[in-house]
Amino acid sequence: AQKITQTQPGMFVQEKEAVTLDCTYDTSDPSYGLFWYKQPSSGEMIFLIYQGSYDQQNATEGRYSLNFQKARKSANLVISASQLGDSAMYFCAMREGVNTNAGKSTFGDGTTLTVKP
Amino acid sequence: KAGVTQTPRYLIKTRGQQVTLSCSPISGHRSVSWYQQTPGQGLQFLFEYFSETQRNKGNFPGRFSGRQFSNSRSEMNVSTLELGDSALYLCASSLTGGTGELFFGEGSRLTVL
Repeated sequence: AQKITQTQPGMFVQEKEAVTLDCTYDTSDPSYGLFWYKQPSSGEMIFLIYQGSYDQQNATEGRYSLNFQKARKSANLVISASQLGDSAMYFCAMREGVNTNAGKSTFGDGTTLTVKP
Repeated sequence: KAGVTQTPRYLIKTRGQQVTLSCSPISGHRSVSWYQQTPGQGLQFLFEYFSETQRNKGNFPGRFSGRQFSNSRSEMNVSTLELGDSALYLCASSLTGGTGELFFGEGSRLTVL
């Protein structure tokens, strides 16, 4: 069964500094996708970044990058130059198999990030 | 382009009642999935609908049901409400093909008294 582990319930970072949010996963399916979502206090989940299991390079989207270490089954999110608006809950998620399973994602418990001015 | 719209945003029910939540996906998205979010259990997958058919189902009792209409709009229903059903119910839509990221609505917050 697929499983996502986020071991950091809460993290603090100083504004303008970089922060890494940890995520490890477990799956026996060779084809999978890894996602990071942001959930501000308003409640709406926002997609940040995607990494496919066969992607050779780490994904990047603006200030977000995904440090994908396949052998270690980790997919850490790196946020560079943190901003106050980055304060939110961050979820790592995975879906197995081809895209037909896209709607069925398994989520981690989340990490609450607080950016200090 | 309009995002995912969920209604109602907030509702209060009492035990034993039933509730229906609605979700309108992004135009062109044919997959709609539902998640329950609680402080204790986190985000849990309820079910997914694609072209009016349930494609995936999570481990929830039969009191939780859903459907999808020909215009891709979806509804979920919870019958015989229990206190433990109090949660934020999130609807998400996704495109067929591509990377499969989910686009979420703002959620419907259900309180069961």
